[in-house]
Amino acid sequence: GNSVTQMEGPVTLSEEAFLTINCTYTATGYPSLFWYVQYPGEGLQLLLKATKADDKGSNKGFEATYRKETTSFHLEKGSVQVSDSAVYFCALVAQGAQKLVFGQGTRLTINP
Amino acid sequence: NAGVTQTPKFQVLKTGQSMTLQCAQDMNHEYMSWYRQDPGMGLRLIHYSVGAGITDQGEVPNGYNVSRSTTEDFPLRLLSAAPSQTSVYFCASRTGTGRLSFFGQGTRLTVV
Repeated sequence: GNSVTQMEGPVTLSEEAFLTINCTYTATGYPSLFWYVQYPGEGLQLLLKATKADDKGSNKGFEATYRKETTSFHLEKGSVQVSDSAVYFCALVAQGAQKLVFGQGTRLTINP
Repeated sequence: NAGVTQTPKFQVLKTGQSMTLQCAQDMNHEYMSWYRQDPGMGLRLIHYSVGAGITDQGEVPNGYNVSRSTTEDFPLRLLSAAPSQTSVYFCASRTGTGRLSFFGQGTRLTVV
């Protein structure tokens, strides 16, 4: 079946550090890939997305590249801020499918 | 500009009580779904609907009922609450052919 695996958290970094949150997936065909973010006390918001191989999604300084050869969609940011503290979810919708499949989420804490 | 609206935001139930979590969207989206969010498990699909009058089970449907009498509304019913249903519940919607889901703010449910 379709699945998403994220690096285990929690992740704690200092402000201005480089961030990588790993995400790999299993799916048939060419899924659409997403990163959602959940800030404390809020619902999920789309952070970025990519719909085909080699696409790069970007938003708010975050980037992720759809790598078909490694079935990965790792989230990166060059210099994190305290306001980036949140839970990050990698997710996919398989080609021809209806359902959004989530990874387990990674809690990120940025210390000043 | 309401998007997806969930009510209530918080609820405490006693074991065996029933309640309905409300979800409404004003974007004329065909597809609506309910997820529960538990620590370390990401979001798991409970039930979903591809249009008015059509519902289907997701990954963890037991203990929950849904109906979809209108395009706008997709309530989730707990007929006899159990402590295992303590969780944060999210409703989401998207167009029938789209891949991008929009989420409500969530309902935090505690069953004692």
